[in-house]
Amino acid sequence: QKEVEQNSGPLSVPEGAIASLNCTYSDRVSQSFFWYRQYSGKSPELIMSIYSNGDKEDGRFTAQLNKASQYVSLLIRDSQPSDSATYLCAGIDSNTGNQFYFGTGTSLTVIP
Amino acid sequence: IAGITQAPTSQILAAGRRMTLRCTQDMRHNAMYWYRQDLGLGLRLIHYSNTAGTTGKGEVPDGYSVSRANTDDFPLTLASAVPSQTSVYFCASSDSWGRGVNEQFFGPGTRLTVL
Repeated sequence: QKEVEQNSGPLSVPEGAIASLNCTYSDRVSQSFFWYRQYSGKSPELIMSIYSNGDKEDGRFTAQLNKASQYVSLLIRDSQPSDSATYLCAGIDSNTGNQFYFGTGTSLTVIP
Repeated sequence: IAGITQAPTSQILAAGRRMTLRCTQDMRHNAMYWYRQDLGLGLRLIHYSNTAGTTGKGEVPDGYSVSRANTDDFPLTLASAVPSQTSVYFCASSDSWGRGVNEQFFGPGTRLTVL
């Protein structure tokens, strides 16, 4: 079992809809999480971080963390074709405090 | 330079050859990392360095070595390349002393093919 698990998708949503991306994690992962977006052939870029239980909003993006269920999600409102990418969830190793575990990524396609 | 640079951008290498992938950052981040990314397996940590002069093994260190002589540079060496090392390699850095939780920033990657 991987420390951070994601549904690989692919996930398709129509333009303007809400895209929901989900991630679960093991006890080995601490309660700090990051969402990265990766376009095909490019490197991952950070879009959101969340450290506390609950929701964190940044523009069209909302990250949600549920520590009791060991679950973290990313909502993208008003999805645009430019949001089409692979989204990576990452959490931090509880022992080292700075080493990341990455999920395998969820491929999102926003259909115009 | 702004951020993290990697060289080369891509490389085709014969099996058995030695290869060093270069990574340089200008953000004065203390921690640096090397990952490989393979289809279906995601990003896997090869080696890391929490500060200049120290290194550690990640999830998949075999066949790779690193050094951290200074803050800015973190080269990754394949002593004798094998086809299973064909992958995209990403260098990353973060400003995370001790048990900090700061984000990792990635370089543009090196696409390596070992024949």
